[in-house]
Amino acid sequence: DAGVIQSPRHEVTEMGQEVTLRCKPISGHDYLFWYRQTMMRGLELLIYFNNNVPIDDSGMPEDRFSAKMPNASFSTLKIQPSEPRDSAVYFCASRSRTGGETQYFGPGTRLLVL
Amino acid sequence: DQQVKQNSPSLSVQEGRISILNCDYTNSMFDYFLWYKKYPAEGPTFLISISSIKDKNEDGRFTVFLNKSAKHLSLHIVPSQPGDSAVYFCAASAHYGGATNKLIFGTGTLLAVQP
Repeated sequence: DAGVIQSPRHEVTEMGQEVTLRCKPISGHDYLFWYRQTMMRGLELLIYFNNNVPIDDSGMPEDRFSAKMPNASFSTLKIQPSEPRDSAVYFCASRSRTGGETQYFGPGTRLLVL
Repeated sequence: DQQVKQNSPSLSVQEGRISILNCDYTNSMFDYFLWYKKYPAEGPTFLISISSIKDKNEDGRFTVFLNKSAKHLSLHIVPSQPGDSAVYFCAASAHYGGATNKLIFGTGTLLAVQP
């Protein structure tokens, strides 16, 4: 199994530009999570999906952030317009309904907004 | 407000000695706890977990202790090895009526094991 796949691995953009982060969960996993890692706040859950349906988006910082999961094998996190304070590492994770609490993380996307 | 707190940003230990990483939580509804390890440029990987019905869980060199009355858990690594050098995240979840909820992570502790 290839694990959770994220792209791009690194993204540098200018303030005001649209950023789209992509995630392919592990095949067969029912849950998909988007996290943001910063030094000050650690790993923050932004949103999670169950069977492609958004369940909890209370962690999404503001309306500039949106996430979609059009099918079981693909999800996007979009920031529009991006701001310097959005600079962070964004992780996608997935887990199985039958696999307990353990989430499997992708390698992350390091985003820098200038 | 951080519901899961790791108050030590970093810890340095000699190879072969014990590493103790600490985690405190504030939400009494948390009933399942996990530790994740993260190397640079990689995603976190699951290490060990414990349910609130237990006070100890052991897996090889790794042991997690849970003190519910103090809302405190700790991860012990014995003996510590240079390959254990990483950031360790504590995470907690709460189950309401059997439904699975999300994981709440701490800010992490950077462990450096000196050869």
